[in-house]
Amino acid sequence: KNEVEQSPQNLTAQEGEFITINCSYSVGISALHWLQQHPGGGIVSLFMLSSGKKKHGRLIATINIQEKHSSLHITASHPRDSAVYICAAHLGNQFYFGTGTSLTVIP
Amino acid sequence: KAGVTQTPRYLIKTRGQQVTLSCSPISGHRSVSWYQQTPGQGLQFLFEYFSETQRNKGNFPGRFSGRQFSNSRSEMNVSTLELGDSALYLCASSLVGGPSYEQYFGPGTRLTVT
Repeated sequence: KNEVEQSPQNLTAQEGEFITINCSYSVGISALHWLQQHPGGGIVSLFMLSSGKKKHGRLIATINIQEKHSSLHITASHPRDSAVYICAAHLGNQFYFGTGTSLTVIP
Repeated sequence: KAGVTQTPRYLIKTRGQQVTLSCSPISGHRSVSWYQQTPGQGLQFLFEYFSETQRNKGNFPGRFSGRQFSNSRSEMNVSTLELGDSALYLCASSLVGGPSYEQYFGPGTRLTVT
């Protein structure tokens, strides 16, 4: 059983569309991270949140602790947003990762 | 500040051999975590070091070990390599680790075991 579930697994969008990626976790967490991984492997940490909502440019991350659910939104998507997005839950002393959402934004 | 660096970037080893990977954190960062990424299992947490001590450990066999030096640089060792150890190994550093601090990832070492 995966402690962290992510959906969808794959997502294709037209440039300019609003995108939502979902992450659900099964146990209480200390924090939830959203990561971005481009082809070639490099990973960038986008957000770290334990409550509420955070915004950075066109990216917004929200978390609902009671429902054990987090979402990553991308407004006005752009081809350069094409990447794999991974949520990671900090549970106890460990990180547990979702399987990732592969996003392709078509011009 | 320079980012997290990992060496080597690519490595090919034979089954049964051992391998050592190196990670240099961002200057001032004292926590280094290691992760394994494979197509089948995705990202998995290996262990975290802080101030030369292993603070957390994932569910990997004892063939996987690590250490951290006084300058916060960290090494990861895998002994008796198996084909299934072929993966991208990533390290990440943060100021003090734990859930409240952002992690900065290195570019990874791609290990192929033949």
